[in-house]
Amino acid sequence: QVQLVESGPGLLKPSQTLSLTCTVSGGSISSGDYYWSWIRQHSEKGLEWIGYIHYKENPYNNPSLKGRISISVDTSRNQFSLNLLSVTAADTAVYYCARGGGHHHFDFWGQGAPVTVSS
Amino acid sequence: IVLMQSPATLSLSPGESATLSCRASQIIGSIYFAWYQQKPGQAPRVLIYGASSRATGIPDRFSGSWSGTNFALTINRLEPEDSAIYFCQQYAGSPETFGQGTRLEIK
Repeated sequence: QVQLVESGPGLLKPSQTLSLTCTVSGGSISSGDYYWSWIRQHSEKGLEWIGYIHYKENPYNNPSLKGRISISVDTSRNQFSLNLLSVTAADTAVYYCARGGGHHHFDFWGQGAPVTVSS
Repeated sequence: IVLMQSPATLSLSPGESATLSCRASQIIGSIYFAWYQQKPGQAPRVLIYGASSRATGIPDRFSGSWSGTNFALTINRLEPEDSAIYFCQQYAGSPETFGQGTRLEIK
């Protein structure tokens, strides 16, 4: 059973960079043909796909986030990470990592990391 | 691709059936469509993928169907534990998008 766990700071100030890491267990991030995604949710409604990465390919990001996103993968640690630059209050959300994307549904999710941006 | 879900809220009794709808703004391949269930404080859980295939461990009370740009999730023999928000999602085109959700209340 694949398990994902998000980690990172829960509180940031405006203009800071949000950095989150997703640690995958129960399967290798570099096996199979899976993509690994970040998704956020501003309330109990409103899921927004942020971007995904495949260990052999360049990441692909949601254009709506206007180049503020950087997604990377560390196969030696079986982790992938999200950096979101210049955060504002509008980036306050629960951030999920998930397996899926790239023509595959999201079949395994992390428990979610709440992030608040406030001065 | 914009996904519009209806109704926004649905209130039904145990034992009844629910039909949740999701309309896509353009034609998408049915194999790239999913339904998720989300309960308070939990991550979404996939119910249906490929528009009509049940995910592992999902009871056969849940079924998915589609016609053109209209997709539906049917839940038969409703149980109190089915109270949740249900989201549709397309992964045919990028960016991958979700509907705004339907809140199902079982009273």
